[in-house]
Amino acid sequence: KQEVTQIPAALSVPEGENLVLNCSFTDSAIYNLQWFRQDPGKGLTSLLLIQSSQREQTSGRLNASLDKSSGRSTLYIAASQPGDSATYLCAFKDSGYALNFGKGTSLLVTP
Amino acid sequence: GEEVAQTPKHLVRGEGQKAKLYCAPIKGHSYVFWYQQVLKNEFKFLISFQNENVFDETGMPKERFSAKCLPNSPCSLEIQATKLEDSAVYFCASSQSSGQDGAFFGQGTRLTVV
Repeated sequence: KQEVTQIPAALSVPEGENLVLNCSFTDSAIYNLQWFRQDPGKGLTSLLLIQSSQREQTSGRLNASLDKSSGRSTLYIAASQPGDSATYLCAFKDSGYALNFGKGTSLLVTP
Repeated sequence: GEEVAQTPKHLVRGEGQKAKLYCAPIKGHSYVFWYQQVLKNEFKFLISFQNENVFDETGMPKERFSAKCLPNSPCSLEIQATKLEDSAVYFCASSQSSGQDGAFFGQGTRLTVV
């Protein structure tokens, strides 16, 4: 079973800082990975999808990388804003097509 | 539709009562997944469907939990004789076809068993 670890569990930064969220996994046999955002009491919003053959994906101020050999993915957020405050989850799709989730990083961006 | 629609948003059941949750996947998506989110961020995979066929049910509790995806109807997740530990948010997700496709999530159903 895929073990997914997200570090740090919580992060508080002042507005404008660039930050990196880390995700590691134990099984390199993945189809893809997704980074999601979850606001309190809400569903999951997909931020970025990286296929197993890709190294990175970018969307606006977000950049996600994937290194299968080391079992790591990072989500880079540039010029953070208070509206970025949320829980960020990484998830890997396994051979059964199900997602294996980390426990998330709770991000607070202070004005 | 263009989004995964889950109903109801909230459901309260007394212990021992039945709970039934519904999910309408995005039109054209072949795969439907059910996840249970307990505590704050622990997601547990329950079951997946490829169209109306069970694809993977390795996460489904053997007792009390059942699910269906019938043609031209929303998918459903049913819990018989609910227990306090079934209290959680249940998420449905759909994806288009292959393992390469991303998953799109509904807003979830919060089940509270009292």
